[in-house]
Amino acid sequence: DAKTTQPPSMDCAEGRAANLPCNHSTISGNEYVYWYRQIHSQGPQYIIHGLKNNETNEMASLIITEDRKSSTLILPHATLRDTAVYYCIDRVNDAGANNLFFGTGTRLTVIP
Amino acid sequence: NAGVTQTPKFQVLKTGQSMTLQCAQDMNHEYMSWYRQDPGMGLRLIHYSVGAGITDQGEVPNGYNVSRSTTEDFPLRLLSAAPSQTSVYFCASRAPGMARYEQYFGPGTRLTVT
Repeated sequence: DAKTTQPPSMDCAEGRAANLPCNHSTISGNEYVYWYRQIHSQGPQYIIHGLKNNETNEMASLIITEDRKSSTLILPHATLRDTAVYYCIDRVNDAGANNLFFGTGTRLTVIP
Repeated sequence: NAGVTQTPKFQVLKTGQSMTLQCAQDMNHEYMSWYRQDPGMGLRLIHYSVGAGITDQGEVPNGYNVSRSTTEDFPLRLLSAAPSQTSVYFCASRAPGMARYEQYFGPGTRLTVT
């Protein structure tokens, strides 16, 4: 089972920053935090990952607290196309394939 | 590249029927996986493969078989469909040399068992 906790839903105004929180209080020292999103009727899409430093790419920023017990995904200027379910994942199956274990995620709705 | 492709997109089966969900990738990825997604739930891992000829079970393998005869293809077989297998199925792949977090997913197959 996924060990992360996320709010079930959030709204964000178009053009504003969307801040999606995730608690991963049982994360171990060598586990990364991964973020994926799933737009309606599509497969999940990788967004970003991090270990203990803040990370930024063309899609988003990831802020990880110093104790690593929580993190926040930031979409700096949300658009309507960012409406999706966002998954925070802190565990992969290390039996060789590093598969992902998804929870139920946060449904982000970007409002015009 | 077409990426990860899945066929069919939609399928309706009667209880007890068998079928194969197809998954193919043209990125020469060694690692491939099958997930199912049910309403209100995240994705759950069914089976995975770390290379041709090698497969292993995930979280919910019962009722499903897989094989991996080539790098490109990873079909999922339902031997005797049950209503509990009504779900959306996603196939995913990644390369062993790339970072372990970035999996590529197909568009999914929506299966209904009546």
